[in-house]
Amino acid sequence: GDSVTQMEGPVTLSEEAFLTINCTYTATGYPSLFWYVQYPGEGLQLLLKATKADDKGSNKGFEATYRKETTSFHLEKGSVQVSDSAVYFCALSERSSNYKLTFGKGTLLTVNP
Amino acid sequence: DGGITQSPKYLFRKEGQNVTLSCEQNLNHDAMYWYRQDPGQGLRLIYYSQIVNDFQKGDIAEGYSVSREKKESFPLTVTSAQKNPTAFYLCASTGSNYGYTFGSGTRLTVV
Repeated sequence: GDSVTQMEGPVTLSEEAFLTINCTYTATGYPSLFWYVQYPGEGLQLLLKATKADDKGSNKGFEATYRKETTSFHLEKGSVQVSDSAVYFCALSERSSNYKLTFGKGTLLTVNP
Repeated sequence: DGGITQSPKYLFRKEGQNVTLSCEQNLNHDAMYWYRQDPGQGLRLIYYSQIVNDFQKGDIAEGYSVSREKKESFPLTVTSAQKNPTAFYLCASTGSNYGYTFGSGTRLTVV
């Protein structure tokens, strides 16, 4: 079945540091890939997505590239801010699973001033 | 504005009691989902419904029940058979482009 593995946290960075959160996946077909962000006490918000190989999703300075050869979708940001402190989830969906979202376990990011 | 409304935001349940969590959407989405979130375990799918009057079990359906009598509504009942119900519950919906919208969640605590 489908699965998503993302790096375990917590991750603690200083403001303006470079961020990478690794995500790899296992899927039976050609999934769409997502990064969601969850701020404390809130639901999930879509951060970015990619629907086919070599697509790059980007939003708010975050980027991730769909790498089919390495089954990866790593999240990066060149300069993090305190306001980026949140939990980040990598996820996938595909037609063979009726487009249900399968999530990684989440990575807590804390950015210190 | 279109979105998903979950209520209540906080809910307390006594041992042996059934409780119902509300989820309403005005996005005209066909599919709706319930996820459970526990610390360090990500989100796990409880139930989902792709059309009115039909729903399927997810990965952890035991101790839960749902109904889908209206397109806009997908309530989740946590029954007394659910032995460890304390968690954060998230409802989501998706339309034809399969983009998910999430509610703001209900935090359930057993007292």
